[in-house]
Amino acid sequence: GAVVSQHPSRVICKSGTSVKIECRSLDFQATTMFWYRQFPKQSLMLMATSNEGSKATYEQGVEKDKFLINHASLTLSTLTVTSAHPEDSSFYICSARATGGSGNTIYFGEGSWLTVV
Amino acid sequence: DAKTTQPNSMESNEEEPVHLPCNHSTISGTDYIHWYRQLPSQGPEYVIHGLTSNVNNRMASLAIAEDRKSSTLILHRATLRDAAVYYCILRSGNQFYFGTGTSLTVIP
Repeated sequence: GAVVSQHPSRVICKSGTSVKIECRSLDFQATTMFWYRQFPKQSLMLMATSNEGSKATYEQGVEKDKFLINHASLTLSTLTVTSAHPEDSSFYICSARATGGSGNTIYFGEGSWLTVV
Repeated sequence: DAKTTQPNSMESNEEEPVHLPCNHSTISGTDYIHWYRQLPSQGPEYVIHGLTSNVNNRMASLAIAEDRKSSTLILHRATLRDAAVYYCILRSGNQFYFGTGTSLTVIP
């Protein structure tokens, strides 16, 4: 099946700094990628939809200036958490839509643990 | 967002079949039913999806009710590696919105 890779898998940053997480589709082109956040023992929460070559679409309640999303190519989307605070510590997961076939299956990355200290 | 309802948790004995139910009474005619599972500290893994007809693949079977208001994921022989949170999701347009899922415990 299609492979989506995230980097880094774990990152620790100081409060007030910014951190970037990359999401790559390794064997297919993805015009649309998605970013989720997951707190411990909770479900995934969709943050934004990343569209190649255009602005991301954010879900209600997600601060676009804090969570910067760039989808510069058909295989790469990045999420930058700006001025990170301890409450931003979470598991961030990206996914990409593989077109073709029925249902347009979405494949997920391995996730990135962010700890803000 | 089309919503799904799943039991919070289920248990199964190893090597026995498991039936994971999902209710989606507000499903629209064009919504696909997707199932994913998530192991701790990993991204969700695709299991199976369908629209109207029952589906089988190497991982599981998906039984869809005739009125499409419910579906059941069937694991034919549960193994310890099948212990995970299973999510039933309706694809509405581009986005996937996750519900709470069912945490499956497999008892050796």
